[in-house]
Amino acid sequence: NAGVTQTPKFRVLKTGQSMTLLCAQDMNHEYMYWYRQDPGMGLRLIHYSVGEGTTAKGEVPDGYNVSRLKKQNFLLGLESAAPSQTSVYFCASSYDEGTAAFFGQGTRLTVV
Amino acid sequence: AQKVTQAQTEISVVEKEDVTLDCVYETRDTTYYLFWYKQPPSGELVFLIRRNSFDEQNEISGRYSWNFQKSTSSFNFTITASQVVDSAVYFCALLLGRGGGYQKVTFGTGTKLQVIP
Repeated sequence: NAGVTQTPKFRVLKTGQSMTLLCAQDMNHEYMYWYRQDPGMGLRLIHYSVGEGTTAKGEVPDGYNVSRLKKQNFLLGLESAAPSQTSVYFCASSYDEGTAAFFGQGTRLTVV
Repeated sequence: AQKVTQAQTEISVVEKEDVTLDCVYETRDTTYYLFWYKQPPSGELVFLIRRNSFDEQNEISGRYSWNFQKSTSSFNFTITASQVVDSAVYFCALLLGRGGGYQKVTFGTGTKLQVIP
C-alpha cells in the first residue's frame, strides 16, 4: 500500500529556477492538499483540490501554482523559486471533506 | 477568523508518566472538524483522531484519550503511561468545511513531546 507518494524527497534550487513537485495517491481520494511546514509555524495550506480538474487557493498560495489533471496526481509548481520558499512540503489526500488526511513523506526544498 | 493555539511548545516527561497536550481553537462556524496528528522524528505525519463539532464524546484508544469540550473550545490529548516511542511533535488542526468545495484548514504550531527513559 503506497498511500501518498511525493517526489522528489530532497531538492536544492537556485533563486529563480523552477521546479515541479509531484504527489500521487492510490486511495481514490477526491481531496488533495499541498502544505508547507516551517519552524514554529505549523503547517500552512498552499493550495488544495476537491476533485479532478479543480484547484483552489489556501492560506499561502503566492508564488505557487498547482494542477490536478488526473484524480490521483496533484502537482505543485514553483515558477521562480525564492529563498523564502525554503521549506518542507507535504502533500496530503482525503476521501471527503472533514475526513482524515493521509500525508506523504515530505519534500525538503532549499532555495539558495 | 480561525485559530488553533497549542500553548505548550515543548514538554518533557519521564517514561510512564501521564502527559496532556492542550489545544484551544477559535471559530465562529458551528460545523467543523478537529484533528490530532503525530509527527515522529522521521518526519511523516500520522493521523490520530478526528472529531466533528457535533460529537462531544470523549474517546479512548489504548493509552491515548481525547477530551473535547465545546464550552471551553478545547480538544486536549492525554497520553497515559508515556513511552519513548511517543516522542514526537503533535499537531492539533481545525478544518472548516462548508460544502461546495470550500476548505479552510488551520494547524496549531505543534507541541514537541520528549519522553525520557
